[in-house]
Amino acid sequence: NAGVMQNPRHLVRRRGQEARLRCSPMKGHSHVYWYRQLPEEGLKFMVYLQKENIIDESGMPKERFSAEFPKEGPSILRIQQVVRGDSAAYFCASSPFWGGSYEQYFGPGTRLTVT
Amino acid sequence: ELKVEQNPLFLSMQEGKNYTIYCNYSTTSDRLYWYRQDPGKSLESLFVLLSNGAVKQEGRLMASLDTKARLSTLHITAAVHDLSATYFCAVEETSGSRLTFGEGTQLTVNP
Repeated sequence: NAGVMQNPRHLVRRRGQEARLRCSPMKGHSHVYWYRQLPEEGLKFMVYLQKENIIDESGMPKERFSAEFPKEGPSILRIQQVVRGDSAAYFCASSPFWGGSYEQYFGPGTRLTVT
Repeated sequence: ELKVEQNPLFLSMQEGKNYTIYCNYSTTSDRLYWYRQDPGKSLESLFVLLSNGAVKQEGRLMASLDTKARLSTLHITAAVHDLSATYFCAVEETSGSRLTFGEGTQLTVNP
Protein backbone atom coordinates (compact mmCIF):
# COMPACT_ATOMS: atom_id res chain seq x y z
CA ASN A 1 0.00 0.00 0.00
CA ALA A 2 1.70 3.14 -1.19
CA GLY A 3 1.85 6.02 1.22
CA VAL A 4 0.64 9.55 0.69
CA MET A 5 2.17 10.92 -2.48
CA GLN A 6 2.89 14.53 -3.24
CA ASN A 7 4.25 16.14 -6.33
CA PRO A 8 6.25 17.92 -7.24
CA ARG A 9 8.70 17.48 -4.38
CA HIS A 10 10.39 20.76 -5.18
CA LEU A 11 8.85 23.70 -7.00
CA VAL A 12 10.43 27.00 -7.93
CA ARG A 13 8.24 29.87 -9.01
CA ARG A 14 8.86 33.51 -9.76
CA ARG A 15 6.83 36.13 -7.95
CA GLY A 16 3.44 36.50 -9.59
CA GLN A 17 3.28 32.99 -11.04
CA GLU A 18 0.89 30.26 -9.98
CA ALA A 19 1.86 27.19 -7.96
CA ARG A 20 -0.11 23.92 -8.07
CA LEU A 21 0.66 21.29 -5.49
CA ARG A 22 -0.79 17.79 -5.77
CA CYS A 23 -1.57 15.22 -3.14
CA SER A 24 -2.72 11.64 -3.68
CA PRO A 25 -3.98 10.12 -0.41
CA MET A 26 -3.29 6.60 0.69
CA LYS A 27 -5.52 3.98 -0.87
CA GLY A 28 -8.84 3.87 0.92
CA HIS A 29 -8.41 7.28 2.53
CA SER A 30 -11.08 9.82 1.72
CA HIS A 31 -9.93 12.71 3.91
CA VAL A 32 -7.10 15.08 3.08
CA TYR A 33 -5.46 17.80 5.14
CA TRP A 34 -2.98 20.45 4.02
CA TYR A 35 -0.41 22.00 6.34
CA ARG A 36 2.26 24.62 5.76
CA GLN A 37 5.63 24.73 7.46
CA LEU A 38 7.55 27.99 7.27
CA PRO A 39 11.31 27.77 7.80
CA GLU A 40 12.24 26.93 11.39
CA GLU A 41 8.59 26.70 12.46
CA GLY A 42 6.02 24.04 13.23
CA LEU A 43 3.28 22.97 10.88
CA LYS A 44 0.19 25.13 10.58
CA PHE A 45 -3.14 23.75 9.44
CA MET A 46 -4.54 25.17 6.22
CA VAL A 47 -7.53 23.16 5.01
CA TYR A 48 -9.37 19.87 5.47
CA LEU A 49 -11.23 18.26 2.59
CA GLN A 50 -13.28 15.24 1.75
CA LYS A 51 -13.96 14.32 -1.84
CA GLU A 52 -15.84 17.20 -3.50
CA ASN A 53 -16.26 18.96 -0.17
CA ILE A 54 -14.30 21.44 1.94
CA ILE A 55 -14.83 20.62 5.60
CA ASP A 56 -12.64 23.23 7.31
CA GLU A 57 -10.72 26.00 5.58
CA SER A 58 -10.16 28.14 8.65
CA GLY A 59 -6.38 28.08 8.17
CA MET A 60 -6.37 29.19 4.54
CA PRO A 61 -5.27 32.72 3.73
CA LYS A 62 -8.25 34.67 2.46
CA GLU A 63 -6.71 35.56 -0.87
CA ARG A 64 -4.74 33.72 -3.55
CA PHE A 65 -5.06 30.26 -1.96
CA SER A 66 -7.59 27.60 -2.89
CA ALA A 67 -7.90 23.86 -2.49
CA GLU A 68 -9.98 21.12 -4.02
CA PHE A 69 -10.35 17.37 -3.79
CA PRO A 70 -12.32 16.20 -6.82
CA LYS A 71 -14.22 12.96 -7.12
CA GLU A 72 -11.45 11.61 -9.32
CA GLY A 73 -7.79 12.50 -9.06
CA PRO A 74 -5.56 14.09 -6.48
CA SER A 75 -6.21 16.96 -4.13
CA ILE A 76 -4.81 20.23 -5.43
CA LEU A 77 -3.56 23.20 -3.43
CA ARG A 78 -3.37 26.23 -5.70
CA ILE A 79 -1.53 29.43 -4.92
CA GLN A 80 -2.06 32.28 -7.32
CA GLN A 81 0.34 35.20 -7.78
CA VAL A 82 2.91 33.77 -5.41
CA VAL A 83 4.98 36.05 -3.19
CA ARG A 84 8.25 35.41 -1.39
CA GLY A 85 6.39 34.81 1.88
CA ASP A 86 4.74 31.74 0.32
CA SER A 87 8.10 29.95 0.30
CA ALA A 88 7.59 27.02 2.63
CA ALA A 89 7.15 23.28 2.81
CA TYR A 90 3.57 22.19 2.15
CA PHE A 91 2.56 18.86 3.61
CA CYS A 92 -0.49 16.84 2.82
CA ALA A 93 -1.89 14.21 5.16
CA SER A 94 -4.67 11.70 4.66
CA SER A 95 -6.82 9.68 7.01
CA PRO A 96 -9.31 6.84 6.60
CA PHE A 97 -11.94 8.14 9.00
CA TRP A 98 -13.47 4.76 9.63
CA GLY A 99 -13.49 2.15 12.35
CA GLY A 100 -12.38 4.67 14.94
CA SER A 101 -9.08 5.28 13.17
CA TYR A 102 -8.50 8.85 12.21
CA GLU A 103 -4.73 9.05 12.36
CA GLN A 104 -3.27 11.33 9.73
CA TYR A 105 -0.47 9.99 7.57
CA PHE A 106 1.84 12.58 6.11
CA GLY A 107 3.28 12.79 2.64
CA PRO A 108 6.87 13.79 1.85
CA GLY A 109 5.95 17.43 1.26
CA THR A 110 6.42 19.94 -1.54
CA ARG A 111 9.06 22.53 -0.97
CA LEU A 112 8.06 25.75 -2.70
CA THR A 113 10.64 28.41 -3.36
CA VAL A 114 9.52 31.78 -4.69
CA THR A 115 12.26 33.82 -6.33
CA GLU B 1 -8.42 28.61 20.16
CA LEU B 2 -6.28 25.59 20.96
CA LYS B 3 -2.67 26.42 21.80
CA VAL B 4 0.12 23.88 22.05
CA GLU B 5 3.41 24.76 23.68
CA GLN B 6 6.56 22.71 23.79
CA ASN B 7 9.63 23.17 25.88
CA PRO B 8 12.45 23.32 25.56
CA LEU B 9 12.63 24.52 21.97
CA PHE B 10 16.31 23.63 21.72
CA LEU B 11 17.99 20.80 23.53
CA SER B 12 21.62 19.82 23.31
CA MET B 13 22.58 16.74 25.23
CA GLN B 14 25.35 14.23 25.48
CA GLU B 15 25.07 10.63 24.51
CA GLY B 16 24.00 8.43 27.37
CA LYS B 17 22.03 11.13 29.19
CA ASN B 18 18.31 11.25 29.91
CA TYR B 19 15.99 14.13 29.24
CA THR B 20 12.31 15.04 28.91
CA ILE B 21 10.46 17.21 26.41
CA TYR B 22 7.19 18.73 27.59
CA CYS B 23 4.05 19.51 25.65
CA ASN B 24 1.26 21.59 27.18
CA TYR B 25 -2.05 22.25 25.48
CA SER B 26 -4.84 24.62 26.33
CA THR B 27 -8.14 22.75 25.79
CA THR B 28 -9.48 19.25 26.09
CA SER B 29 -8.36 16.91 23.37
CA ASP B 30 -9.27 13.58 21.85
CA ARG B 31 -5.74 12.51 21.18
CA LEU B 32 -2.13 13.62 21.11
CA TYR B 33 0.63 12.72 18.68
CA TRP B 34 4.39 12.84 18.75
CA TYR B 35 6.31 13.16 15.49
CA ARG B 36 9.94 13.20 14.51
CA GLN B 37 11.24 15.30 11.62
CA ASP B 38 14.72 15.10 10.16
CA PRO B 39 16.00 18.14 8.23
CA GLY B 40 14.31 18.46 4.85
CA LYS B 41 12.14 15.42 5.47
CA SER B 42 8.53 14.68 6.27
CA LEU B 43 7.06 13.77 9.62
CA GLU B 44 7.49 10.32 11.07
CA SER B 45 4.78 9.26 13.50
CA LEU B 46 6.22 8.11 16.82
CA PHE B 47 3.28 7.78 19.21
CA VAL B 48 -0.47 8.24 19.37
CA LEU B 49 -1.81 8.77 22.88
CA LEU B 50 -5.54 8.32 23.29
CA SER B 51 -6.45 8.42 26.96
CA ASN B 52 -5.47 9.76 30.32
CA GLY B 53 -2.52 7.91 31.78
CA ALA B 54 -1.51 6.42 28.44
CA VAL B 55 2.15 5.47 28.27
CA LYS B 56 3.88 4.15 25.19
CA GLN B 57 7.50 3.16 24.68
CA GLU B 58 9.57 2.48 21.63
CA GLY B 59 13.27 1.93 22.06
CA ARG B 60 14.80 4.86 23.94
CA LEU B 61 11.66 6.99 23.69
CA MET B 62 8.69 6.93 26.04
CA ALA B 63 5.63 9.13 25.78
CA SER B 64 2.93 9.75 28.37
CA LEU B 65 -0.29 11.72 28.56
CA ASP B 66 -2.01 13.42 31.48
CA THR B 67 -5.27 14.83 30.16
CA LYS B 68 -6.19 16.43 33.46
CA ALA B 69 -3.00 18.49 33.46
CA ARG B 70 -3.18 18.82 29.65
CA LEU B 71 0.41 17.69 29.52
CA SER B 72 2.33 15.14 27.54
CA THR B 73 5.97 14.22 27.97
CA LEU B 74 8.48 12.58 25.68
CA HIS B 75 11.25 11.02 27.69
CA ILE B 76 14.58 10.12 26.15
CA THR B 77 16.64 7.47 27.85
CA ALA B 78 20.39 7.09 27.27
CA ALA B 79 20.38 9.29 24.19
CA VAL B 80 22.31 8.31 21.09
CA HIS B 81 23.36 10.49 18.15
CA ASP B 82 20.73 8.93 15.86
CA LEU B 83 18.02 10.58 17.94
CA SER B 84 19.10 14.03 16.77
CA ALA B 85 16.07 15.53 15.04
CA THR B 86 13.18 17.92 15.66
CA TYR B 87 10.32 16.50 17.70
CA PHE B 88 6.80 17.84 17.46
CA CYS B 89 3.75 17.18 19.54
CA ALA B 90 0.38 17.72 17.91
CA VAL B 91 -3.08 17.79 19.41
CA GLU B 92 -6.28 16.70 17.73
CA GLU B 93 -9.11 18.60 19.37
CA THR B 94 -11.88 16.32 18.16
CA SER B 95 -11.70 13.05 16.25
CA GLY B 96 -10.87 13.57 12.63
CA SER B 97 -10.26 17.27 12.96
CA ARG B 98 -7.14 19.25 12.19
CA LEU B 99 -3.93 18.90 14.17
CA THR B 100 -2.48 21.81 16.09
CA PHE B 101 1.28 21.51 16.38
CA GLY B 102 3.73 22.71 18.96
CA GLU B 103 6.71 24.75 17.85
CA GLY B 104 8.99 21.74 17.89
CA THR B 105 12.00 20.78 19.99
CA GLN B 106 15.27 20.65 18.10
CA LEU B 107 17.31 17.92 19.75
CA THR B 108 21.02 17.55 19.20
CA VAL B 109 22.81 14.59 20.76
CA ASN B 110 26.54 15.08 20.93
CA PRO B 111 28.98 12.16 21.01
